[in-house]
Amino acid sequence: DSGVTQTPKHLITATGQRVTLRCSPRSGDLSVYWYQQSLDQGLQFLIQYYNGEERAKGNILERFSAQQFPDLHSELNLSSLELGDSALYFCASSTHGYSSSYNSPLHFGNGTRLTVT
Amino acid sequence: GDSVTQMEGPVTLSEEAFLTINCTYTATGYPSLFWYVQYPGEGLQLLLKATKADDKGSNKGFEATYRKETTSFHLEKGSVQVSDSAVYFCALISLRGTGNQFYFGTGTSLTVIP
Repeated sequence: DSGVTQTPKHLITATGQRVTLRCSPRSGDLSVYWYQQSLDQGLQFLIQYYNGEERAKGNILERFSAQQFPDLHSELNLSSLELGDSALYFCASSTHGYSSSYNSPLHFGNGTRLTVT
Repeated sequence: GDSVTQMEGPVTLSEEAFLTINCTYTATGYPSLFWYVQYPGEGLQLLLKATKADDKGSNKGFEATYRKETTSFHLEKGSVQVSDSAVYFCALISLRGTGNQFYFGTGTSLTVIP
């Protein structure tokens, strides 16, 4: 058990809809990362937050947004969903957020499987 | 930009065979390197890491050595078991803006048959 909790485990929704994925990081971890894993794209970095602030952005679509709350949990919002958004969405956490943690590993949750029909 | 290149899978081995999964990287500076493993239906788990050149990471019989001269971090195990069947990801951590970004390889699927 990594200590990272993601809810829900599965989500089935229709095109055009909006969903929210939730992540609780490992106790003591200040940094949260979101990744999208699909068969054809592999593991794609979306965004990183550290102690409530956005720190790094990857290949995140404008239809997607995220935030990290004062209690350090994070939410990933996906809107105007398309069939191609169907994927596994992983949250990961680490102790630090920047150079002081250059070797601080990521701890992954078990993911939310999103199916858009 | 920074990147990780991993050998294509899938890989199928018999139990007790020797395993090598190749990984090379491109990075500015001196990144830390990681191997993660993903079992079916689960998230990625850290398998081992190395933070500087010539470091050897090891865990559960797996080893990988950080080779700066060849920019490689190949994963090896002397005798694989059926329970090692999983997808293996090579990764590096790099600075991006004011945060960190982990770059992952595409993953190598390993199946070990009895």
